[in-house]
Parts: sequence; structure tokens; C-alpha cells
Amino acid sequence: QSVLTQPPSVSAAPGQKVTISCSGSSSNIGNNYVSWYQQLPGTAPKLLIYDNNKRPSGIPDRFSGSKSGTSATLGITGLQTGDEADYYCGTWDSSLSAHWVFGGGTKLTVL
Amino acid sequence: QVTLKESGPVLVKPTETLTLTCTVSGFSLSNARMGVSWIRQPPGKALEWLAHIFSNDEKSYSTSLKSRLTISKDTSKSQVVLTMTNMDPVDTATYYCARIFGGVTGTPNWFDPWGQGTLVTVSS
Repeated sequence: QSVLTQPPSVSAAPGQKVTISCSGSSSNIGNNYVSWYQQLPGTAPKLLIYDNNKRPSGIPDRFSGSKSGTSATLGITGLQTGDEADYYCGTWDSSLSAHWVFGGGTKLTVL
Repeated sequence: QVTLKESGPVLVKPTETLTLTCTVSGFSLSNARMGVSWIRQPPGKALEWLAHIFSNDEKSYSTSLKSRLTISKDTSKSQVVLTMTNMDPVDTATYYCARIFGGVTGTPNWFDPWGQGTLVTVSS
């Protein structure tokens, strides 16, 4: 059971928009920056969003991130078949046993 | 270009100690507010953070695995080493290392880039 809660799967048609939620608490998302990672099949995770809503160089603006309170959201517009992947949110948890936490991952299917 | 590469055994026996090495290039392990983290992923499962070490040698470990993990670095060799004792079949996973960007509070803010990962199987 992950500390950060993500839906196991989401799906949408090519060209459409999808959002992936990541729910946490005040000890993690509520007080720390959130990052998002894309893991294409058989590959290592890749940074998509950092500091809640910033995109690294080379990441298209179809990908966006936001945070409100103890939840974060990844948005993807203009879906492409190449976006089919697992998506993970992550953040630092400042509780007594301080540690990094990941969400359980969301499988995106582009129908 | 920043790269990280994991190396170590592909097969370990139960109760043995696993030693993994992450060799980095394109940045220095002495760079301020940077570090290296180890993360693993059992087949078909989610990512699990294991440990990190920052340039100032500050370390942190997964609460559930803390008693079994040790992380260290050799800045001159550009290497970060993770050891995990008393390996069990449930530890079978792909192990990744990733560069950390840290915030002003000294905690990780994000991981980029990641190494390609190395699959470690625990079996007798």
C-alpha cells in the first residue's frame, strides 16, 4: 500500500486529454514539492514534471502538473499512442521517519 | 551529458549480501545540493525508494529496510555503493540509481536522470 494514492489505470482516445491524480497528506504533498515520472514499457523512469509544475527541457507542453493542498495532478493533452506508459508521482515525506515516497503508479492506455 | 550506470550481480542466493555500484558521469558527487538515490522495482510492481546520499554525505534510508541497507560514495571514483544484507526472494527487482536534485532544506526534490537499471534475482 503506497503512501501516495494514484488510480491504477486511466484511458482515453488519441487527441483527448487525461488527468492522473496523486493524493497524499500534509506530511508529504502538503509541504513538499511533487515530481512526476513516465515509465515506458521496458525502460527506466523519466522525469516529466518537477517542483509541482515545472517541465524539464525537452518535455512537451502537452504535459502539465499542478498541486492543491495534499493532492497533485498530472495532465496530458493531445494524447498520442506513444504516451502509453506507467506514470508515478513522488515527493518527500517529512514525517518522523523522513523518507521519499512514490505513488502506486497509473497505467495510461491510449485507446 | 549526465549518465548513471548500475552494476552488480544478476543472481544472489538467499541470506547473501547484495552490493550494487552506481557509476556516474557528467556531474560530480561533490556538487552542492546533488546526490544519488537508489530505487527498486519488483517485476510488475511499483517503484520503491531505498536510500540516498547527498554531496555533503548526508544519508537517508527506507524505514522498512533501514536495518539492511548501507549507502556510501567515493567521490574520486564517481561511484555510489549500496549494500543490502540478508537477501530474500522478495527482494528480486530491477534496481535503479538516479541523480537527486535537492532543495534548500536538504531533502530530495526530484530524480533526473535515472540509470538503465539492473535486474537482481534472488534464488537458491
